Amino acid sequence: EAGVVQSPRYKIIEKKQPVAFWCNPISGHNTLYWYLQNLGQGPELLIRYENEEAVDDSQLPKDRFSAERLKGVDSTLKIQPAELGDSAVYLCASSYTSGAGDTQYFGPGTRLTVL
Amino acid sequence: AQRVTQPEKLLSVFKGAPVELKCNYSYSGSPELFWYVQYSRQRLQLLLRHISRESIKGFTADLNKGETSFHLKKPFAQEEDSAMYYCALRALGAGGTSYGKLTFGQGTILTVHP
Repeated sequence: EAGVVQSPRYKIIEKKQPVAFWCNPISGHNTLYWYLQNLGQGPELLIRYENEEAVDDSQLPKDRFSAERLKGVDSTLKIQPAELGDSAVYLCASSYTSGAGDTQYFGPGTRLTVL
Repeated sequence: AQRVTQPEKLLSVFKGAPVELKCNYSYSGSPELFWYVQYSRQRLQLLLRHISRESIKGFTADLNKGETSFHLKKPFAQEEDSAMYYCALRALGAGGTSYGKLTFGQGTILTVHP
């Protein structure tokens, strides 16, 4: 089992450019999370999907960030246009959510540097 | 609102010494508390959760609702315990289960010297 897969692992762009991150969750996991981790901080939730539906996107800056999870499997997180303050690690996590709760499994993250 | 505080950014101990990583939380409802660990060049992974009451790799943590704390302890630290440790909280729902957003603390870097 490969676990949660994210790509790219590293991305360097200039400000005002667009960027996209991709996440493939663990097979069978119905819930997918995107977290933002700034340097020296713990991860913070950006958006949570249950299957195809975004059930918690209250922390997603919708003026420049967007996400989608077509077919309830893979997900893409996009930033357009990127700003200097977006430099951070973007983590994807997945879980199988049932009536018994869930355990989140994290991907390796994508480290974004905006110049 | 949910808040998790880890007062120590860095903690250094010698091999064989006891170690305690502090975690305090603020939440008006019933919480579920977790410890996550990230070893060098590895992904974030679950270490333990208070509901399961397990001891993982010799670590234990007890939820103290009176002091709103969930400190992580190990009686004899090993060099391989050196890592970043995050305390996290999630809202506990009806029926005693939780799911959804995790609120993390800032993390504590533990270094165990030989």
